[in-house]
Amino acid sequence: DQQVKQNSPSLSVQEGRISILNCDYTNSMFDYFLWYKKYPAEGPTFLISISSIKDKNEDGRFTVFLNKSAKHLSLHIVPSQPGDSAVYFCAASAQGGSEKLVFGKGTKLTVNP
Amino acid sequence: KAGVTQTPRYLIKTRGQQVTLSCSPISGHRSVSWYQQTPGQGLQFLFEYFSETQRNKGNFPGRFSGRQFSNSRSEMNVSTLELGDSALYLCASSLEAGINYGYTFGSGTRLTVV
Repeated sequence: DQQVKQNSPSLSVQEGRISILNCDYTNSMFDYFLWYKKYPAEGPTFLISISSIKDKNEDGRFTVFLNKSAKHLSLHIVPSQPGDSAVYFCAASAQGGSEKLVFGKGTKLTVNP
Repeated sequence: KAGVTQTPRYLIKTRGQQVTLSCSPISGHRSVSWYQQTPGQGLQFLFEYFSETQRNKGNFPGRFSGRQFSNSRSEMNVSTLELGDSALYLCASSLEAGINYGYTFGSGTRLTVV
């Protein structure tokens, strides 16, 4: 049973445009959500997180939106840069982040110059 | 500050053998978690150790085991290797248990079972 779903395996956008990566979850106990970025042959690196008490969190070019009623979150990257090309993982945890991380399968983002 | 160090980086083993992977956390970090990454399944949680005790365990068979030493270094062991165990094994360390305390991943060990 996949509790965190990233339904788009890949996404391609033009440099300078907006990238929107989506993630759905099924477990209503999840209350802490994170996005990780991963380059080949490297471990995932933390990008941005959001607690269920918020519906938006921004950090520079990255914004995460959380819609609790729809059990959906999205990551917006504006403007997209070629260096953003990587695999992006959505992850969720319960108990305010004290429980194990459950990851989606990832979305490969390609930003074309 | 040194990051999370995983050794070896690459490993090739034969079906039926066993393997031990090592993870040295960031200095001062007491929690270590292990994940398996495969192309079809993404990152799947294996187990978490905190202060030498297994705190959480994922849905993997008993062939997968781990331990943590008093210096917080952790090892995971896979016995009776199967072809399907070929994957990137990642560990992450954090100051305390849970993900709110500087959860940082290593670069992983790429295991190939032939």
